[in-house]
Amino acid sequence: SAVISQKPSRDICQRGTSLTIQCQVDSQVTMMFWYRQQPGQSLTLIATANQGSEATYESGFVIDKFPISRPNLTFSTLTVSNMSPEDSSIYLCSARLAGDEQFFGPGTRLTVL
Amino acid sequence: GENVEQHPSTLSVQEGDSAVIKCTYSDSASNYFPWYKQELGKRPQLIIDIRSNVGEKKDQRIAVTLNKTAKHFSLHITETQPEDSAVYFCAAFYNTDKLIFGTGTRLQVFP
Repeated sequence: SAVISQKPSRDICQRGTSLTIQCQVDSQVTMMFWYRQQPGQSLTLIATANQGSEATYESGFVIDKFPISRPNLTFSTLTVSNMSPEDSSIYLCSARLAGDEQFFGPGTRLTVL
Repeated sequence: GENVEQHPSTLSVQEGDSAVIKCTYSDSASNYFPWYKQELGKRPQLIIDIRSNVGEKKDQRIAVTLNKTAKHFSLHITETQPEDSAVYFCAAFYNTDKLIFGTGTRLQVFP
C-alpha cells in the first residue's frame, strides 16, 4: 500500500479567497487524483493530476477554479480558487499503484463562510 | 455514460447475519472493481477488489462476486459484527484510467 498525507487537514476560509491543499505520497506512484466528497455523499472525481503536464479535468470542473500541480511522482497540490460556500466539502487526494490499487489521503475538510 | 449504480442505500442487519451490497456498471471495458469501507470522519479504505478475469474472490468474512455478462458485482459480508458498521462504496474503472464510485451503502450492524 501507499502512505498518503494531506495538509491542511481542515480550514475555514472567507469567500473570495483561495486555498491550496498539498498531497504527499511516500513512494513514487503512476497516477494521482483529486476527489471531492460532500457530506453524506459519494466521491466525485475532480481531475487526474498528470506529472509534467496539465491535469485532466472531469465534466463540471475547470482549471481556473481548481488549478492542479504535480511537479514529481510523489507530490501534488489542488487549489480551490475564488471560494464560495458551495465549495465547502472534503477534498481527497488519491494515488494509484502499479497494480491498479488506489489509496486515499485523510482528506481536507474545507468550510467557506 | 460513466455510471455505477449501488443498492441498497442503507442496510440494517443483526450481528451474525450476512449483508449483501450490489452494484451495476455501464462500461463493458471495465476490468477492475474495488470496494471501499469508510468509517465516519475517516478516509475510504480498500477492503477487497476483483478483476474481470475472476468470478469470485474471498478474504475471510468478505467476498466479492462479478458477473461480467450482466455487468453486476456484489460484496458479501458474513457473520457481521458491530465494527462492520460503516459506509461501503463500490467502484469501477472507466477508460482504464479513472475510478468512478457508486453512491454508497450505509451498513448498520446491531448487537
